Amino acid sequence: DGGITQSPKYLFRKEGQNVTLSCEQNLNHDAMYWYRQDPGQGLRLIYYSQIVNDFQKGDIAEGYSVSREKKESFPLTVTSAQKNPTAFYLCASSRDPGSGGYTFGSGTRLTVV
Amino acid sequence: AQKITQTQPGMFVQEKEAVTLDCTYDTSDQSYGLFWYKQPSSGEMIFLIYQGSYDEQNATEGRYSLNFQKARKSANLVISASQLGDSAMYFCAMREPRGAASKLTFGTGTRLQVTL
Repeated sequence: DGGITQSPKYLFRKEGQNVTLSCEQNLNHDAMYWYRQDPGQGLRLIYYSQIVNDFQKGDIAEGYSVSREKKESFPLTVTSAQKNPTAFYLCASSRDPGSGGYTFGSGTRLTVV
Repeated sequence: AQKITQTQPGMFVQEKEAVTLDCTYDTSDQSYGLFWYKQPSSGEMIFLIYQGSYDEQNATEGRYSLNFQKARKSANLVISASQLGDSAMYFCAMREPRGAASKLTFGTGTRLQVTL
């Protein structure tokens, strides 16, 4: 079955450390996205990529970095520069960047300890 | 800039009753899309229903319907015959026009609790 796999489901990080969240899709979708969700808030866009080797900042990109070396993969690195990284992170993909139909992964819950 | 407003932080509904979740939006674009997603406690986002700005008919998907009032810029979700499994967070979202990066802007969500 096609879908998006995010790993790990739970992640703990010490302050000052970088950590990378994995997102893999086998849907052959061109566009991929990373969202952050905090309690009481909706999803906010961190980064997105429409094609391989290209990506753009979203609304809250500071303290995050991404890469898109393969169509299937869009990893997100939470750097030590991100002041409040504890949150739920969701990855999504879309076949047609103009269509807006998204498939979401099951998310990674990151906690800074 | 686009904006989505969901004014109901929480809602209760009895099983088998209908419930309406409110969503208003603000955009200067003529072409846009409106979505509703369900997020159970497990965290995944489940697509429920979509309405295009040029669609003349209100969208329906099984027990879900979208009450689209373009002039009022509202896109309310109606769930008929509520079930216990409908208890979840519900998010309204809007897509930028075609040709853009198809980013979604989300509201803050409504937590629906279905009771016996």
